[in-house]
Amino acid sequence: EADIYQTPRYLVIGTGKKITLECSQTMGHDKMYWYQQDPGMELHLIHYSYGVNSTEKGDLSSESTVSRIRTEHFPLTLESARPSHTSQYLCASSSDRGEAFFGQGTRLTVV
Amino acid sequence: EDKVVQSPLSLVVHEGDTVTLNCSYEVTNFRSLLWYKQEKKAPTFLFMLTSSGIEKKSGRLSSILDKKELFSILNITATQTGDSAVYLCAFMKTSYDKVIFGPGTSLSVIP
Repeated sequence: EADIYQTPRYLVIGTGKKITLECSQTMGHDKMYWYQQDPGMELHLIHYSYGVNSTEKGDLSSESTVSRIRTEHFPLTLESARPSHTSQYLCASSSDRGEAFFGQGTRLTVV
Repeated sequence: EDKVVQSPLSLVVHEGDTVTLNCSYEVTNFRSLLWYKQEKKAPTFLFMLTSSGIEKKSGRLSSILDKKELFSILNITATQTGDSAVYLCAFMKTSYDKVIFGPGTSLSVIP
């Protein structure tokens, strides 16, 4: 069973606030990812990491930032939330074999 | 530019029908193709395909990859209402280990 956790599951926050979405995995995977998905729409990769101290931007431009100080932890931060950031954010990690395992997602609403 | 195309984008069938979902790709440095099922929240892993012509099976689901023609199919036999979901095709490249997703096929199975 995949052990990857995201918190919070739901977040409603006011414009201009700083937020951090947490993602942790206990599988020892080096590779971790953040995807953004609007309802009924495609998954878009916004950040990924090959391992500790490695982070890269994904294919979809995002105003968020990430850090990877520990293997198991890959938080995503928005310095100043805006309504356009309203979306679902999915964290994933993958083994060397390739299959990615996903957390349950954080549904963010910025009002 | 790498590209993944899934067809059809949406499909409605009756219980008991057999469906075939298609995924075609144009990817440089292709490493593997992955299929995922996404119901309400996060995608769940179904298959990883690396070699041509080898069918992977799991219950009523099966998948095969054709690396010469650059496509994969996902078959679901004797469909059930619980098969209703979005089925995502994704790929990984040898040059970097991002998992990139296609747009998905939305399958609805009606009683």
